[in-house]
Amino acid sequence: EPEVTQTPSHQVTQMGQEVILRCVPISNHLYFYWYRQILGQKVEFLVSFYNNEISEKSEIFDDQFSVERPDGSNFTLKIRSTKLEDSAMYFCASSGGLAGQETQYFGPGTRLLVL
Amino acid sequence: AQSVTQLGSHVSVSEGALVLLRCNYSSSVPPYLFWYVQYPNQGLQLLLKYTTGATLVKGINGFEAEFKKSETSFHLTKPSAHMSDAAEYFCAVISDTGRRALTFGSGTRLQVQP
Repeated sequence: EPEVTQTPSHQVTQMGQEVILRCVPISNHLYFYWYRQILGQKVEFLVSFYNNEISEKSEIFDDQFSVERPDGSNFTLKIRSTKLEDSAMYFCASSGGLAGQETQYFGPGTRLLVL
Repeated sequence: AQSVTQLGSHVSVSEGALVLLRCNYSSSVPPYLFWYVQYPNQGLQLLLKYTTGATLVKGINGFEAEFKKSETSFHLTKPSAHMSDAAEYFCAVISDTGRRALTFGSGTRLQVQP
């Protein structure tokens, strides 16, 4: 069964460093998403991406964040200058169709720790 | 703004007992409603969803949920708990048909006692 994959599973970085989190969505899907979950808090939406541009973003997704689909398979989240409060589990998701209620399929997550 | 409330951050049941996980939402328009499950060290997996039509929705692993508009609820049930059901369960909503962002509840951790 097709699945969303994410690398790395864990990343430790120093405050102020740039990190890139990578995701391979399900191959025929059209929409891609990033969510995050700070320890002990809710899963929060960050951004959605369609047709090579951001289609929706939350107030969390500020200028420190960027997304890119550098090739036909990868979808990345870059945090330009990490802060302590960026420590969280980051989930990538993808959905297949154009309807808003299409199921979003989630990857296993990348746990980011900023020291 | 839409929101989701899951009553009970931890629920413990005995194996074979009824599972009931509660979810209430706030939305000014008919919502799309979802239940996801997260097993340890895994991603979120869709259990079931309600979009339109029949209000009782059946999902995987014997779970079902009923959309009750008058109560703004979408509670998750399973008649008989199994040890393998131990996981964290998240209710989520999309209540603006022009958006795709899922709004999640805070999650309920289900323990199943032998």
